[in-house]
Amino acid sequence: KNQVEQSPQSLIILEGKNCTLQCNYTVSPFSNLRWYKQDTGRGPVSLTIMTFSENTKSNGRYTATLDADTKQSSLHITASQLSDSASYICVVSFFTNAGKSTFGDGTTLTVKP
Amino acid sequence: KAGVTQTPRYLIKTRGQQVTLSCSPISGHRSVSWYQQTPGQGLQFLFEYFSETQRNKGNFPGRFSGRQFSNSRSEMNVSTLELGDSALYLCASSFEGGNTIYFGEGSWLTVV
Repeated sequence: KNQVEQSPQSLIILEGKNCTLQCNYTVSPFSNLRWYKQDTGRGPVSLTIMTFSENTKSNGRYTATLDADTKQSSLHITASQLSDSASYICVVSFFTNAGKSTFGDGTTLTVKP
Repeated sequence: KAGVTQTPRYLIKTRGQQVTLSCSPISGHRSVSWYQQTPGQGLQFLFEYFSETQRNKGNFPGRFSGRQFSNSRSEMNVSTLELGDSALYLCASSFEGGNTIYFGEGSWLTVV
C-alpha cells in the first residue's frame, strides 16, 4: 500500500527560529512530490513541487529537499514568522492526475512570539 | 485569473437530508477532484472528474456522488446525511497532465 508519513505530527517554535518538517513515502513509481500550506479553515496552497530528478526547490523562506533513493523529503522553514502557523501537507503522486496522489496527514506548525 | 471557486462557503443541514456542493475550476482546467477533511484529519480523496467522466474514486460510500459539466464545473452530492459527514469539503482543479492542483477555499458542512 502506498503511504506518505509526515513527522512530527505537531511542532511549536518561537518566532525567528528555523524548523524542518519530514515526509517519508513509499509511493512507487514516483512522479512528483509537493508541499502545501493550509491555514486553518482555508484551502491548501502549493509551496513547492519537485520531480524525481530534482533534489531541492525554494520558495522564499521555504526550501524543500528530496532524496528519491531513500524516499524522503523535508521542508525547511527559515526565520519563522507568526504567519507560518499552519498545517503543512506532503503529497506524492504516481502520475500527474489528482486521483493518483497520496496525501500525508500533515504537520501542524505553531509559531509563538 | 480567478482561482477555484466553491459554493456555498458554509451550510448547516439536518441528518437525513441531502446536500449539493458546487465547484468552478480555474479557467482552462479540465480536471476537478474532491476531498473531505474532518477536524484534525488529513485530506481524504473522494473522486476526480476529467472531461465529464469520473476518472478516479476514493473509498467512500455510494451516498457520495459527483458529476462534471461540459464547462468543467463540478458538483458533489451527499445523500442521507450523517453526523459524521460534518467536514470541510475541498475542491481542486488542474490542467490535463498538470503537476500542481489548485484548491478552493472549501465548503464547511455541519450536520446536526
